[in-house]
Amino acid sequence: GENVEQHPSTLSVQEGDSAVIKCTYSDSASNYFPWYKQELGKRPQLIIDIRSNVGEKKDQRIAVTLNKTAKHFSLHITETQPEDSAVYFCAASLFSGNTPLVFGKGTRLSVIA
Amino acid sequence: GAGVSQSPSNKVTEKGKDVELRCDPISGHTALYWYRQRLGQGLEFLIYFQGNSAPDKSGLPSDRFSAERTGESVSTLTIQRTQQEDSAVYLCASSSPGHENTEAFFGQGTRLTVV
Repeated sequence: GENVEQHPSTLSVQEGDSAVIKCTYSDSASNYFPWYKQELGKRPQLIIDIRSNVGEKKDQRIAVTLNKTAKHFSLHITETQPEDSAVYFCAASLFSGNTPLVFGKGTRLSVIA
Repeated sequence: GAGVSQSPSNKVTEKGKDVELRCDPISGHTALYWYRQRLGQGLEFLIYFQGNSAPDKSGLPSDRFSAERTGESVSTLTIQRTQQEDSAVYLCASSSPGHENTEAFFGQGTRLTVV
């Protein structure tokens, strides 16, 4: 089955700086890659996702890039703010739903004001 | 309902007892997932139901864990003879794969404490 590795496990940045979180996946058939944000004591929520027919997707300060050849994808947060502090999870699956969402172990992001 | 609902929110049980956790997915969602999240840890995949396909049970940690789903609605996760290492938050999610909005929505979780 799918295996997703995520790095780093913790990340501290100064407010206003950029943050980058990287993930690799093992199943070359996977074609759907969402990112979830989990604030302390809350449920995970989708912040952005990408399908394998595109290499990059942006939504305001958040962007995700995908390299299918290398089987890795990354989350980029620009102009970080204290409210970006949370745990971020990447995941991989088949868009058709034939395989479950498998998550990385998470990155704890701290934005220091 | 408006979102994924899980019950109970909290459950304290004695070691060796059986527990049942319930998940009500979003209406119309064919896919339903169970995950376990230990304190400060990641989302550990347990089991996946998708439509009429056989469930993917590859993440269940032992034969003490089982889950059922009635059609495309309610699911129950059962843990038999609970152990202290079963203490965690159990999260359920549902989605509609293959559609433009294929986002998986999570419930608030059931916090299980085995004493």
